[in-house]
Amino acid sequence: QKEVEQNSGPLSVPEGAIASLNCTYSDRVSQSFFWYRQYSGKSPELIMSIYSNGDKEDGRFTAQLNKASQYVSLLIRDSQPSDSATYLCAVNRGRSGSRLTFGEGTQLTVNP
Amino acid sequence: NAGVMQNPRHLVRRRGQEARLRCSPMKGHSHVYWYRQLPEEGLKFMVYLQKENIIDESGMPKERFSAEFPKEGPSILRIQQVVRGDSAAYFCASSATQNNEQFFGPGTRLTVL
Repeated sequence: QKEVEQNSGPLSVPEGAIASLNCTYSDRVSQSFFWYRQYSGKSPELIMSIYSNGDKEDGRFTAQLNKASQYVSLLIRDSQPSDSATYLCAVNRGRSGSRLTFGEGTQLTVNP
Repeated sequence: NAGVMQNPRHLVRRRGQEARLRCSPMKGHSHVYWYRQLPEEGLKFMVYLQKENIIDESGMPKERFSAEFPKEGPSILRIQQVVRGDSAAYFCASSATQNNEQFFGPGTRLTVL
């Protein structure tokens, strides 16, 4: 079992729709969770961090965390063509280490 | 520019040569991480350093790879006797505290001929 798994994609949504990206993790001691966006040929860009159960909203982005289910998701409302990128879920085990473990990424395409 | 800086952005080496990749963390950050992204693969952790200390090198290949973060100057990732399989994008990230958000630099794209 992979430590961090993401829905494999690619995911295609029309402009203005909600894009839903999902991630599960295997290590129950994980404490910090992050979503990065990576455009082709570029470096990962941090877009959301979440540390406690529930929802966290920032503009068009909402991160959801459920530690009991070991599940974290990212919703993108009013998707724009500029949101087309690969979205990476990353998990930090917290006290036992600061390394980020990344999922393989989900490629999102927003069609005009 | 207060972001993470990496240089060079592109590096070409022939098999057997040495590659040196440099990383300057964001202002105020003392924690540096190196990750590697092989073509068509995900990001993999390599090493975590603070000033003058290697905290976690569990992701580093056992041979040819080394890293340092001296008291003065940037962090250096060194690859000796490069092979074609070392061709990848190498990203540095920094954070303000151990378990805080990590911000990535633009990366160094290494090509081994």
